[in-house]
Amino acid sequence: DTGVSQDPRHKITKRGQNVTFRCDPISEHNRLYWYRQTLGQGPEFLTYFQNEAQLEKSRLLSDRFSAERPKGSFSTLEIQRTEQGDSAMYLCASSLASFKHRGNTEAFFGQGTRLTVV
Amino acid sequence: AQTVTQSQPEMSVQEAETVTLSCTYDTSENNYYLFWYKQPPSRQMILVIRQEAYKQQNATENRFSVNFQKAAKSFSLKISDSQLGDTAMYFCAFPFRAYGGSQGNLIFGKGTKLSVKP
Repeated sequence: DTGVSQDPRHKITKRGQNVTFRCDPISEHNRLYWYRQTLGQGPEFLTYFQNEAQLEKSRLLSDRFSAERPKGSFSTLEIQRTEQGDSAMYLCASSLASFKHRGNTEAFFGQGTRLTVV
Repeated sequence: AQTVTQSQPEMSVQEAETVTLSCTYDTSENNYYLFWYKQPPSRQMILVIRQEAYKQQNATENRFSVNFQKAAKSFSLKISDSQLGDTAMYFCAFPFRAYGGSQGNLIFGKGTKLSVKP
């Protein structure tokens, strides 16, 4: 396993267009997280999944954003009607959370998708 | 509200010297993890070191160590024998949801840009 993979690495889109990003987590990880990072700032939490269930969404995740994780494997993050303020790096991370055996791991991050809205 | 504060936007250090990056945080949780993540230019974020709040002993990973002061809510990172490859953004983070030992629902500080000079 080569780690968390994100695709595409870069995306330039015109304002008003829809974009979709994909994240493939580390295979045995049951938790998957999406973050947004703007220039000069730390990552900000957007949402997370445990298996296929989306358990939490930040108030940063407006109605134009939707995330899915069908079958608890890869995840997609879609932004509809993009705005210039959506320009950022979108990071995906995954971790293992095991309540039974406390085999919890830290979050492993992908390289991110850099979105530029023009 | 839970917060993470990194008061040093930029720091520089000569190669082979020691540097300390500071971090303070605020949480009402009692058991939690604290993390330092490194983000090299145009590369993915990786975990540098992790501290469990219930452990009094400070964590150490090779040249990286922390000074964890739970009562003061302070969590500084010391890098010894700095190397050129240590040049990166460093982020302090902790989980805003501590249930189940979660380590991925993170609040990040704004980061410290560290430059190691030859």
